Amino acid sequence: AQTVTQSQPEMSVQEAETVTLSCTYDTSESDYYLFWYKQPPSRQMILVIRQEAYKQQNATENRFSVNFQKAAKSFSLKISDSQLGDAAMYFCAYRPHGNTGKLIFGQGTTLQVKP
Amino acid sequence: DGGITQSPKYLFRKEGQNVTLSCEQNLNHDAMYWYRQDPGQGLRLIYYSQIVNDFQKGDIAEGYSVSREKKESFPLTVTSAQKNPTAFYLCASSSRQGGQPQHFGDGTRLSIL
Repeated sequence: AQTVTQSQPEMSVQEAETVTLSCTYDTSESDYYLFWYKQPPSRQMILVIRQEAYKQQNATENRFSVNFQKAAKSFSLKISDSQLGDAAMYFCAYRPHGNTGKLIFGQGTTLQVKP
Repeated sequence: DGGITQSPKYLFRKEGQNVTLSCEQNLNHDAMYWYRQDPGQGLRLIYYSQIVNDFQKGDIAEGYSVSREKKESFPLTVTSAQKNPTAFYLCASSSRQGGQPQHFGDGTRLSIL
C-alpha cells in the first residue's frame, strides 16, 4: 500500500528566510504524481505545487520549489523569502497514475512564520 | 466567482441519526470528492465521483453514502452506522476525470451531541 510520511509535525521560520519541509513516500509504482497542499487557518485547502514522477526537473512555482528524489522516494518543499501569509499547515500528497482520482495525504506539517 | 460551497459550516448529530452534508460547485467540474480530516492527521478519501450518476468508494467509505444526480451537487450522508463521525469534512472538485482535487470547499465540522 502506498503511504506518505511527513516527519516534522511543526516547523518555524523567520520572515524572509528559507525553510524546507520534508516528505517521504512509499510506492511500488513508477509513474505517479506528488503534490504539496497548503491549509491556512481558514481550513480551505490550496494546491501549492505539483510534480510528475516521470519528470526529472524539479517543479517551481514562484517562491515555492521542490526537491524530488525519486530513488530515495523523497519530495521536500522549499519556501524562499518566507512571508507571514505562508503560515499554515502543509500537506504532502501522492496520487497514482491513472483514472483513480485518489489522493493519499501525509499527516501534515504546521509552519509558523515569525516576524 | 466560481467555487465550492459547503453547508452547513457546523453540524451536530444525535445518536442513531443520519445527517447530510451539502456540497455544491459552479466550476463546471466533472469530478468531485469527499475527504475526512481528523485532528493531527491528513485527509482521507471517503467517496469520489468522476461523472454524474457514478461514484466510487474511497479508503473509509463505511458508514457513509453519497449521490451524484447533478453535476454541480455531491451530497454526503453520514449514517448511524458511522460510529465515530466527529471530524472535519472537506469537499473538493477537479476539472477532469482522473485528476486531483483542484478546488476545495471551506469544510463542515460535524460533532456528536
